[in-house]
Amino acid sequence: KAGVTQTPRYLIKTRGQQVTLSCSPISGHRSVSWYQQTPGQGLQFLFEYFSETQRNKGNFPGRFSGRQFSNSRSEMNVSTLELGDSALYLCASRGVDTQYFGPGTRLTVL
Amino acid sequence: AQSVTQPDIHITVSEGASLELRCNYSYGATPYLFWYVQSPGQGLQLLLKYFSGDTLVQGIKGFEAEFKRSQSSFNLRKPSVHWSDAAEYFCAVEPPGSQGNLIFGKGTKLSVKP
Repeated sequence: KAGVTQTPRYLIKTRGQQVTLSCSPISGHRSVSWYQQTPGQGLQFLFEYFSETQRNKGNFPGRFSGRQFSNSRSEMNVSTLELGDSALYLCASRGVDTQYFGPGTRLTVL
Repeated sequence: AQSVTQPDIHITVSEGASLELRCNYSYGATPYLFWYVQSPGQGLQLLLKYFSGDTLVQGIKGFEAEFKRSQSSFNLRKPSVHWSDAAEYFCAVEPPGSQGNLIFGKGTKLSVKP
């Protein structure tokens, strides 16, 4: 079974721009979660989608949004980028009881 | 508030030596418990998990972890470390009904001396 895929793997943007990241979960998994990883704050939960519905959201500003499509693929969007948004963004695909992570997207904001 | 504490930021062990990484959680009920490993620039790989039952769980790569309810701990162990085990290790909890929200510790970076 193929694992979780994330595209792109690396992104460089400038402040004020917006960015969209994509995540394809493991086949058959309907839940996708997103996390932000930074050296200072560690791993923080952004939001979780299940069957195209956001079920849970972390403590992030409204600039961070996401969606899920009928094939379970998910995207997250960050608008009006700030320097502090530079991070590794990880997507996780959840089976019955366990989350499996993708390789992440490294976002650098200049 | 729910939290996960990994008290050791960085640990260095010699190759072939035993390893124990500590993890304590703060939560009223027993959550689901996980250990993940991350190599530089990579995502997280699941090592093992505990939901209920036998408190000693076996994982991949020769790792095991023991759940101790009285101490709210879930420590990770390996009897003999290999150079390829050098990575960062994260303990995580998922409170029941949290809907995909894993709470992570800050991680422990493991270095292995030849």
